[in-house]
Amino acid sequence: ETGVTQSPTHLIKTRGQQVTLRCSSQSGHNTVSWYQQALGQGPQFIFQYYREEENGRGNFPPRFSGLQFPNYSSELNVNALELDDSALYLCASSLLDSSYYGYTFGSGTRLTVV
Amino acid sequence: AQSVTQLDSHVSVSEGTPVLLRCNYSSSYSPSLFWYVQHPNKGLQLLLKYTSAATLVKGINGFEAEFKKSETSFHLTKPSAHMSDAAEYFCVGGKLIFGQGTELSVKP
Repeated sequence: ETGVTQSPTHLIKTRGQQVTLRCSSQSGHNTVSWYQQALGQGPQFIFQYYREEENGRGNFPPRFSGLQFPNYSSELNVNALELDDSALYLCASSLLDSSYYGYTFGSGTRLTVV
Repeated sequence: AQSVTQLDSHVSVSEGTPVLLRCNYSSSYSPSLFWYVQHPNKGLQLLLKYTSAATLVKGINGFEAEFKKSETSFHLTKPSAHMSDAAEYFCVGGKLIFGQGTELSVKP
């Protein structure tokens, strides 16, 4: 059973640029959720994708967008980067009814915006 | 709406002594609850989960948690702390509603 893989592990971008983060979900999981974890904070829910459709969104602006592909892998795109976007971005995969099974998290992508 | 509150932002124990990390929840229905651990610069690892099958839940690395409906609590415990337990711990509600986190320090 493979886990959740995120790439890249670290990334440095300049304010105003765009970034794409990638996530490969655990085998058998059809749902992917993305979280932003600022330094010293708990993860904040960005959005969830199920069968290639957005299935819930947290309090993040539209410049945060995503995609899910037929193999259930996913991308997180952030446009017009701001300094406050610097954070650890976590991807978690699950079966849709994850309240029972729980979520499997990747190790995250550390994004630094300068 | 469901929410979780971790009552301590930081807990410090000595190696070999018991660990207690406190979590209260609010929910209008029987919740699903999880404890996750996050070591520095790492992702989140599931320690244990409560899904109404049993009120005392045993997890990995000797951790366990007891669901107490009367107290709306789901505290995490371990009889004897190990240095490798030093990490950030998150209590999480069913739809991945995170508590604020508790940093556990373990002194030699």
